[in-house]
Amino acid sequence: EPEVTQTPSHQVTQMGQEVILRCVPISNHLYFYWYRQILGQKVEFLVSFYNNEISEKSEIFDDQFSVERPDGSNFTLKIRSTKLEDSAMYFCASRAGGDLSYNEQFFGPGTRLTVL
Amino acid sequence: AQSVTQLGSHVSVSEGALVLLRCNYSSSVPPYLFWYVQYPNQGLQLLLKYTTGATLVKGINGFEAEFKKSETSFHLTKPSAHMSDAAEYFCAVSDRNSGYSTLTFGKGTMLLVSP
Repeated sequence: EPEVTQTPSHQVTQMGQEVILRCVPISNHLYFYWYRQILGQKVEFLVSFYNNEISEKSEIFDDQFSVERPDGSNFTLKIRSTKLEDSAMYFCASRAGGDLSYNEQFFGPGTRLTVL
Repeated sequence: AQSVTQLGSHVSVSEGALVLLRCNYSSSVPPYLFWYVQYPNQGLQLLLKYTTGATLVKGINGFEAEFKKSETSFHLTKPSAHMSDAAEYFCAVSDRNSGYSTLTFGKGTMLLVSP
């Protein structure tokens, strides 16, 4: 069964460093998402991506964040200069397309980012 | 703006007992409603969803949920808990008018099942 994969499963970095979190969405999907969950808090939407551009983003998704689909298969989230408060589990999701009532979002297992 | 409230960060039941996980939403228009489950070290898996039609929806693993507009609720139930149901459960909503279908999640409820 097709699935969304994410690498690495756990990333440890120093404050101020750049990190890139990688996702491989399901191959025929058209919509891509990043969410994050700070420990003990709710899963929060970061950004959605469609047709090679950002379609929606939350207030969390500031200039420190960027997304890219560099090669038609990977979908990456870059944090330019990490802060302690960026420590969280980051989930990638993808959706086939059309109305959400017919197409669910499929989630990856997440990348746990720890900023020291 | 939409919001989702899940009552109880942890719910403990005995194997064979009824499972009830509560979810209430706040939205000016009834949204699409979802329950996701997360097993340890795995991604979020869709259990069930309500979009339109019958308000009692059945999902995988014997779970079901009922949309009650008057109560703005979408509680998740299972008649008889199994040890394998131990996981974290997330209620989520999506704006019917949103073209990109962003999900808004609750904080999650950890279901603990004892023998």
